Amino acid sequence: GQNIDQPTEMTATEGAIVQINCTYQTSGFNGLFWYQQHAGEAPTFLSYNVLDGLEEKGRFSSFLSRSKGYSYLLLKELQMKDSASYLCAVLNFNKFYFGSGTKLNVKP
Amino acid sequence: DGGITQSPKYLFRKEGQNVTLSCEQNLNHDAMYWYRQDPGQGLRLIYYSQIVNDFQKGDIAEGYSVSREKKESFPLTVTSAQKNPTAFYLCASTPVGRTDTQYFGPGTRLTVL
Repeated sequence: GQNIDQPTEMTATEGAIVQINCTYQTSGFNGLFWYQQHAGEAPTFLSYNVLDGLEEKGRFSSFLSRSKGYSYLLLKELQMKDSASYLCAVLNFNKFYFGSGTKLNVKP
Repeated sequence: DGGITQSPKYLFRKEGQNVTLSCEQNLNHDAMYWYRQDPGQGLRLIYYSQIVNDFQKGDIAEGYSVSREKKESFPLTVTSAQKNPTAFYLCASTPVGRTDTQYFGPGTRLTVL
């Protein structure tokens, strides 16, 4: 089976930094994705890692360690609009497997 | 404007009725996917199709059916055999060979009364 774990909910303060972790155990691996999803809306793509290391894109960074089955999404300079769910997904051949998502609450 | 459209955004049906959710894309993508999302949950794969006239079951295909007669269209039928059909349904597509790029439609929220 495919297993992807992330914390259910996190709270952080506007302007701060938050790290959302994701661990995975899958039968194959072709990449790890992070999506942002606001309530009632479709997920939007944030980042993609296929090799170990850090990928930086503006206020968002994502890290991958394939040997540890571990990834994190780092959000800097948090803004109120960052309040959303963040989904970790693993691509296994041509199928995506999603975690349950981490609901991030940003407070003033 | 290129993208994926799903209609309607909200759909209500009586228990025991089949219902078909539409998904159309003009991105010229070969692969298309249907996901189901329940409150507080991630996305679960129902069906996917890599090319026209071919599709495969995902992890929760029971009670659902699909067709792929045209590259642009991948409709999903929720049959009366699906025990808990109320959910948020998302359609997605990717170009073949570029699965690092998955685009989602806006979703259809189905409520079965």
